[in-house]
Amino acid sequence: EVVLTQSPGTLSLSPGERATLSCRASQSISSNYLSWYQQKPGQAPRLLIYGTSSRATGIPGRFSGSGSGTDFTLTISRLEPEDFAVYYCLQYGSSLWTFGQGTKVEIK
Amino acid sequence: QVELVQSGADVKMPGASVRVSCKPSGYTFSNHYIHWVRQAPGQGLEWMGTINPSGGRTTYAQKFQGRVTMTRDTSTSTVYMGLNSLKSEDTAIYYCAREEPLYGDFDYWGQGTLVTVSS
Repeated sequence: EVVLTQSPGTLSLSPGERATLSCRASQSISSNYLSWYQQKPGQAPRLLIYGTSSRATGIPGRFSGSGSGTDFTLTISRLEPEDFAVYYCLQYGSSLWTFGQGTKVEIK
Repeated sequence: QVELVQSGADVKMPGASVRVSCKPSGYTFSNHYIHWVRQAPGQGLEWMGTINPSGGRTTYAQKFQGRVTMTRDTSTSTVYMGLNSLKSEDTAIYYCAREEPLYGDFDYWGQGTLVTVSS
C-alpha cells in the first residue's frame, strides 16, 4: 500500500503570500493518479487538481500542481482569505486509493 | 447538474450495524464508480472502498475487509455502504464520492452522513 506523507502539518501564512504544500509517496506513483482536495470546516472536500497538474472546473488559476515519481506539490500563488483550509492529496494505484494526512493552511 | 445525496445522520449502539445510502443524479449511474470516504472528528480523510454501479464489483481497503459491504440498487440508482460490529472509533462523517475514471480522482462528493456510535 502506498503511504502519502504531507508536509508541513500546518502552514501559517498571511493573505497574499505564496503557499507550497508537499505530498510525498512511499513509492513511485503515476502522475495521472495524483489529485488534491480542499476542505473547509463543515464542508465536504472539493477537488482542486487532478492528474497532478490539471485544475478542476471552476478552480482559480492561483492553484497549481506539479511533481512526478514520489514528490508532488500544490502551490497557491497568492493566498486569498477563502483559501485558508485543509488540503489533502490522494493517489490511486493497484486498485487502492490512499489520502495524505492533510496540511492545514492557517492565517498568520 | 451532478449531485450525490446521502441519507441522514444516525446513532448506533456499539456492536450494531449501520447502512448509509448515496443517491447520485445528473449523470448515467452506471458510468462512474462510487467511493466511500470517512472522517473521524478532527481527523483526516480515510478511503474505505469502492463499488462499480454497473456490475456491482467492490474493492475494500484492507482495514475494513470483513466489516464493510458496499452494494447498489440499479432500479433506484442508489449505492449503499454497510458497516457492522460498530465501535466508538467508527464515529465519523461518511462521504460518498464519484470517481472520474480517466484520472481516478473524486470529482463530486455527497454532503456527508454523521454516524455516531455510543452507548
